[in-house]
Amino acid sequence: EAQVTQNPRYLITVTGKKLTVTCSQNMNHEYMSWYRQDPGLGLRQIYYSMNVEVTDKGDVPEGYKVSRKEKRNFPLILESPSPNQTSLYFCASSPRQGGHEQFFGPGTRLTVL
Amino acid sequence: AQSVTQLDSHVSVSEGTPVLLRCNYSSSYSPSLFWYVQHPNKGLQLLLKYTSAATLVKGINGFEAEFKKSETSFHLTKPSAHMSDAAEYFCVVSTNQGGKLIFGQGTELSVKP
Repeated sequence: EAQVTQNPRYLITVTGKKLTVTCSQNMNHEYMSWYRQDPGLGLRQIYYSMNVEVTDKGDVPEGYKVSRKEKRNFPLILESPSPNQTSLYFCASSPRQGGHEQFFGPGTRLTVL
Repeated sequence: AQSVTQLDSHVSVSEGTPVLLRCNYSSSYSPSLFWYVQHPNKGLQLLLKYTSAATLVKGINGFEAEFKKSETSFHLTKPSAHMSDAAEYFCVVSTNQGGKLIFGQGTELSVKP
């Protein structure tokens, strides 16, 4: 089944404790992206990647890192999480950039205490 | 620069009555536009997309949207609401910046029996 998977689905952590949210797609998509969803703000892009070893900042990259060493994986790293990073996070992928449907993962709900 | 505005944060209809969710966009070029739906505690699912073919776009579950360039609108409609349509709906525009999507703030649709 074609899908985007994220792990973990739920995470409660404390300020400053490094964490990684994994994202993997099995559709051989070139383009992958991370979004955060907050009430009243819709989804905002954190980082995106147009292919292996090519990443760039989105609208709200502060406090986040990403890597794209393999085409299928695009982990999101929070080196020192803070409470304002409490949010619902979505990973997405699409065949190419521009004008194409993006396929979304199920979401990761992160709480930083 | 591209932007998208959903004109209603919440819409409530009765089962069997028409649904209208309004979306206006701003784009300096011919955009790709999407409607996504998010059911409670679920990821985002594509309802329909406009990519400069027919201006009336049909999607899944009986939804359709009409692209009106003169009004810069892309409103989502359905002739008869069903209880299962209760969800949050996002109007989305695709930019020419690395495949970035810009999301509206979302419209929560409630369906009363």
